[in-house]
Amino acid sequence: GAVVSQHPSWVICKSGTSVKIECRSLDFQATTMFWYRQFPKQSLMLMATSNEGSKATYEQGVEKDKFLINHASLTLSTLTVTSAHPEDSSFYICSARPATGGNTIYFGEGSWLTVV
Amino acid sequence: TQLLEQSPQFLSIQEGENLTVYCNSSSVFSSLQWYRQEPGEGPVLLVTVVTGGEVKKLKRLTFQFGDARKDSSLHITAAQPGDTGLYLCAGARGGTYKYIFGTGTRLKVLA
Repeated sequence: GAVVSQHPSWVICKSGTSVKIECRSLDFQATTMFWYRQFPKQSLMLMATSNEGSKATYEQGVEKDKFLINHASLTLSTLTVTSAHPEDSSFYICSARPATGGNTIYFGEGSWLTVV
Repeated sequence: TQLLEQSPQFLSIQEGENLTVYCNSSSVFSSLQWYRQEPGEGPVLLVTVVTGGEVKKLKRLTFQFGDARKDSSLHITAAQPGDTGLYLCAGARGGTYKYIFGTGTRLKVLA
């Protein structure tokens, strides 16, 4: 099946620094990728829709200047958490929809971010 | 605002029992998916339903999409410890593929 890989799997950063998380579709092209965050014991909350070659669309309440999304190619989207704070610590998950269409969305393994 | 409410939130049952998880909304969805998620991992797709009234079976799991495409249910027959996990429904509206997740149901099956 289609594979979506996230890197890093886990990262610890100091408060005030920025951290980048990559989401790659390994064996298919994805014009659209989605970024979610998940706090412990909670569901996934959609943060933004990442479209290749255009600006990301952010959900209400998500700061676009804090969570920078870049979808520069058909196989890579990146999420940069800028000036991270402890409350940004979370599990970040991306998903990708194949450019060939269909209802199936493929999820990455997730990236744990801990801000200390 | 959570568009999709799941019930129950938590469920602990004995091996061999049956259970049903509900996913309800006041919104109409063009497609609805069910996922299972293990701790520290990404969610794994179980099924996608797109037609009102549709019923899909996956071994011991039966999924139903409501006639009005506003709700869905997941029924597990003869639950096993391997079914333990977080079950999530996710709906997309208007023909988009932007899936919004439900509140989640945490299932524990005891041996």
